[in-house]
Amino acid sequence: KNQVEQSPQSLIILEGKNCTLQCNYTVSPFSNLRWYKQDTGRGPVSLTIMTFSENTKSNGRYTATLDADTKQSSLHITASQLSDSASYICVVSPATYKYIFGTGTRLKVLA
Amino acid sequence: DSGVTQTPKHLITATGQRVTLRCSPRSGDLSVYWYQQSLDQGLQFLIQYYNGEERAKGNILERFSAQQFPDLHSELNLSSLELGDSALYFCASSVEGAWGQPQHFGDGTRLSIL
Repeated sequence: KNQVEQSPQSLIILEGKNCTLQCNYTVSPFSNLRWYKQDTGRGPVSLTIMTFSENTKSNGRYTATLDADTKQSSLHITASQLSDSASYICVVSPATYKYIFGTGTRLKVLA
Repeated sequence: DSGVTQTPKHLITATGQRVTLRCSPRSGDLSVYWYQQSLDQGLQFLIQYYNGEERAKGNILERFSAQQFPDLHSELNLSSLELGDSALYFCASSVEGAWGQPQHFGDGTRLSIL
């Protein structure tokens, strides 16, 4: 069964610290993996899109990694800011035009 | 601001009723996607349209239907509503329908079934 699991479910860190969110998937075949940031009450915003051949992709302070062999991805946030408080959602496409969503990691950054 | 407009923002109705949710994509985007986000199931892909044609179907119920009009706006019709249909419904758009492109989401329509 195609599944996407994210960990941890929630995370609290202090402003300025780094953190890493995990995404493990059992989706096959693999097409691409996306990370989204979703603020409360808003629509998701795309952070990165990675294909099978890409290992790392950055978007400012956000860096996503992908290991297609172990079917794992991570999202690393550097020097966190209060505005990083949000849910982070991992989405894997098993084929073109299909999307399997993880349940997200809720991040809270404290001053 | 993503440039994707969804109306209405909130909708309250009763079981058995029918509602229509509307989405205007970003200027220049040809593809529209609909998603459902409920508390217990997270985000789920419902359906995608590209330039007026249906391109992909996800977990969309038979009671739900959608269409994309010549001006590229899209509507999601939900009928015979049940309590379990209460959720946030998001629309997203992209330039083309290709799988590798980023999707830009609206802020959703919150549907509450009483």
